[in-house]
Amino acid sequence: RKEVEQDPGPFNVPEGATVAFNCTYSNSASQSFFWYRQDCRKEPKLLMSVYSSGNEDGRFTAQLNRASQYISLLIRDSKLSDSATYLCVVFDPNTGNQFYFGTGTSLTVIP
Amino acid sequence: GAGVSQSPRYKVAKRGQDVALRCDPISGHVSLFWYQQALGQGPEFLTYFQNEAQLDKSGLPSDRFFAERPEGSVSTLKIQRTQQEDSAVYLCASSLLLVGGQYFGPGTRLTVL
Repeated sequence: RKEVEQDPGPFNVPEGATVAFNCTYSNSASQSFFWYRQDCRKEPKLLMSVYSSGNEDGRFTAQLNRASQYISLLIRDSKLSDSATYLCVVFDPNTGNQFYFGTGTSLTVIP
Repeated sequence: GAGVSQSPRYKVAKRGQDVALRCDPISGHVSLFWYQQALGQGPEFLTYFQNEAQLDKSGLPSDRFFAERPEGSVSTLKIQRTQQEDSAVYLCASSLLLVGGQYFGPGTRLTVL
């Protein structure tokens, strides 16, 4: 079983829509969580960390549910520029220094 | 300021050749990671350095893979006797602390023929 699982999508949404992605992780001892975005043939870029109480950055909201072992990313008022692959990342100190990346969820925002 | 840089950006190698991939992290970043990313997959952890110490190399797929960071700054990932299955994008990332957001370089796309 993979450490981190994501629905690969693709998600195709119209401009202005709200879209949400979920990511589940297998190890309950995981401590740190992040969302990255990766544009086609580019490197991943940190979008936001995910805090226990949930956090918001503009149109983006991240939530953590430790009991169910999932994290989510909500994008409101989608823009064309939001089209990318969104990677969920989990850090589990009990397995060394590894950050586990999901396979990514593809989002295309349609005009 | 300057981000993470990697060179070469593209490398084509014949099967059996040795290759060396370079990473220049952000100045002052203690932590340095190497990842391998296959098409359609997320990055897979290879190895981690804290300054010059390689603290975790559990992700290296075989003993043909070797990484070093002798002065705690620039790092090199070396792959000996390359195989076709080594074809992937090799990403380097650095961070100020272990448990923090990582900043990625543009990657080296390795193609083994």
